[in-house]
Amino acid sequence: QQQVKQSPQSLIVQKGGISIINCAYENTAFDYFPWYQQFPGKGPALLIAIRPDVSEKKEGRFTISFNKSAKQFSLHIMDSQPGDSATYFCAAVNNNAGNMLTFGGGTRLMVKP
Amino acid sequence: GAVVSQHPSRVICKSGTSVKIECRSLDFQATTMFWYRQFPKQSLMLMATSNEGSKATYEQGVEKDKFLINHASLTLSTLTVTSAHPEDSSFYICSAEDRFSYNEQFFGPGTRLTVL
Repeated sequence: QQQVKQSPQSLIVQKGGISIINCAYENTAFDYFPWYQQFPGKGPALLIAIRPDVSEKKEGRFTISFNKSAKQFSLHIMDSQPGDSATYFCAAVNNNAGNMLTFGGGTRLMVKP
Repeated sequence: GAVVSQHPSRVICKSGTSVKIECRSLDFQATTMFWYRQFPKQSLMLMATSNEGSKATYEQGVEKDKFLINHASLTLSTLTVTSAHPEDSSFYICSAEDRFSYNEQFFGPGTRLTVL
């Protein structure tokens, strides 16, 4: 059972455009939602994270939008750059169940110059 | 910032041999470390949770006798793949939870294992 569903699987965006990646979850016990960026052959790196008590969090060009009632959250990358080309994973954590990360399936983003 | 290292970064071994992968938190203490496995173009799959000084907790379907995990100190966890076979070839990634930074897991750079 995939507890965190991520879409799209792949995304191509022109330089300067907005990249949008969506995730949906089932488990209402999740209470922490991080996004990770992974380059080929490297481990994931934390990009930005949000807790369900806020609807939006912005850090530089990266924004998380969170809809608790719909059990959905999304990552927006503004002014996308070729250096943003990577695989992005959303994740969810239940802090009352060992802090394990449940990952989405990943989105391969390509930003064309 | 918090740094996690893995060693080796890449290993090639013959079928039937054992391989040990080290995961170290370099500038923080990690009471909990996690081991993941990632196949090409796929997401990370949690294999086990490793707590310092106690036995690891394995996810369903992960053979604990094949993937031996030891978390002997607050900065070191090891994963030993015993009697490796070609199907064990994968990218193994560890993460460490900073005991003083709530929720945050910091990932290592990964280890590419190829079993011939």
